[in-house]
Amino acid sequence: EAQVTQNPRYLITVTGKKLTVTCSQNMNHEYMSWYRQDPGLGLRQIYYSMNVEVTDKGDVPEGYKVSRKEKRNFPLILESPSPNQTSLYFCASSHIAGGSTDTQYFGPGTRLTVL
Amino acid sequence: AQKVTQAQTEISVVEKEDVTLDCVYETRDTTYYLFWYKQPPSGELVFLIRRNSFDEQNEISGRYSWNFQKSTSSFNFTITASQVVDSAVYFCALFSGGSNYKLTFGKGTLLTVNP
Repeated sequence: EAQVTQNPRYLITVTGKKLTVTCSQNMNHEYMSWYRQDPGLGLRQIYYSMNVEVTDKGDVPEGYKVSRKEKRNFPLILESPSPNQTSLYFCASSHIAGGSTDTQYFGPGTRLTVL
Repeated sequence: AQKVTQAQTEISVVEKEDVTLDCVYETRDTTYYLFWYKQPPSGELVFLIRRNSFDEQNEISGRYSWNFQKSTSSFNFTITASQVVDSAVYFCALFSGGSNYKLTFGKGTLLTVNP
């Protein structure tokens, strides 16, 4: 079954404690991306990756890191989480080529609370 | 810069009414893609439709229909004979390959269908 998986689905942590949210896709997609969703703000892109070892900032990258060492995985790292990073996070992936894109498939979401 | 505006924050209708969700976009690129996603109360993002900038044909899928008009930069979504199960947040999104390959979302419209 084609899917994007995220772990954990729910996480409560404390300020400053490093955490990683994993994202994996089994569709051999080149493009992967992270979004955060906050009430009244819709979804905003944090980072995206065009392919292995190619990553770039989205609209709200501050406080986050990513890596793309393998095509299927795109972890989101919060080195020192703060309460303003409490949010619902989505990972997504899609095929991309020459400026065109296919449908973006989204993971189930990770609800993060930073106390 | 690209932007997606969903001016309707919340809409409430009675079951069987028709409802139109508005989406206006801005982009400087000539090639771009427009999407609609549904987010039910369970939280996942459900893909509804993808449309590229060269295809202005309107589309109908069951009770759903989409009206794409490049002249007004709009991509509106109509639900005919709404049902309680249509209650969700609906997001319009724009992908423009010339703009750093970002997927930009509107802030969403919360649709409530009352029995």
